[in-house]
Amino acid sequence: KAGVTQTPRYLIKTRGQQVTLSCSPISGHRSVSWYQQTPGQGLQFLFEYFSETQRNKGNFPGRFSGRQFSNSRSEMNVSTLELGDSALYLCASSFSSETQYFGPGTRLLVL
Amino acid sequence: ELKVEQNPLFLSMQEGKNYTIYCNYSTTSDRLYWYRQDPGKSLESLFVLLSNGAVKQEGRLMASLDTKARLSTLHITAAVHDLSATYFCAVGLGTDKLIFGTGTRLQVFP
Repeated sequence: KAGVTQTPRYLIKTRGQQVTLSCSPISGHRSVSWYQQTPGQGLQFLFEYFSETQRNKGNFPGRFSGRQFSNSRSEMNVSTLELGDSALYLCASSFSSETQYFGPGTRLLVL
Repeated sequence: ELKVEQNPLFLSMQEGKNYTIYCNYSTTSDRLYWYRQDPGKSLESLFVLLSNGAVKQEGRLMASLDTKARLSTLHITAAVHDLSATYFCAVGLGTDKLIFGTGTRLQVFP
């Protein structure tokens, strides 16, 4: 069974731009969550989607948004990028609220 | 606000030795997770602990959960170099929201 995939794997953007990251969950998984990992703040929850509905949201500004499609694939968007948005963005999928399986991540660098 | 604290933050240990990583959390939860992360890599699931008194073992790693004390431990037995990585505990809230600890960077040397 294929694991969680994320695209792109690496991304370089400049301040003020926007970016869209994509996540394809494991087949059959309907829940997708997003996390941001930085050296300073560690791993922080961004949001969670289930059947195209956002079920949970973390404490991030409105510049961070996401959505989920009918095939469970998910995207997250960050608008008006700031230097502090440089991070590893991880997507995780789960079948039930037990094990969450993480993708390889998208490493975003904002210059 | 839920806080998840791990200690130690950094652990340097000799091969063959035993040690324990502690994970304390500040609110009630019925799910506790342990993950491993190698440098530059993603998170690998190690254990999911779902009830008070749960104990799980895989190889040289054993995890336990005490929900009354809000404490989970990850015990390392006879460490080997391949265990060098960063270990995170995470508390499950609601459906699939995880709150992660700060991580424990483990370095095993000969």
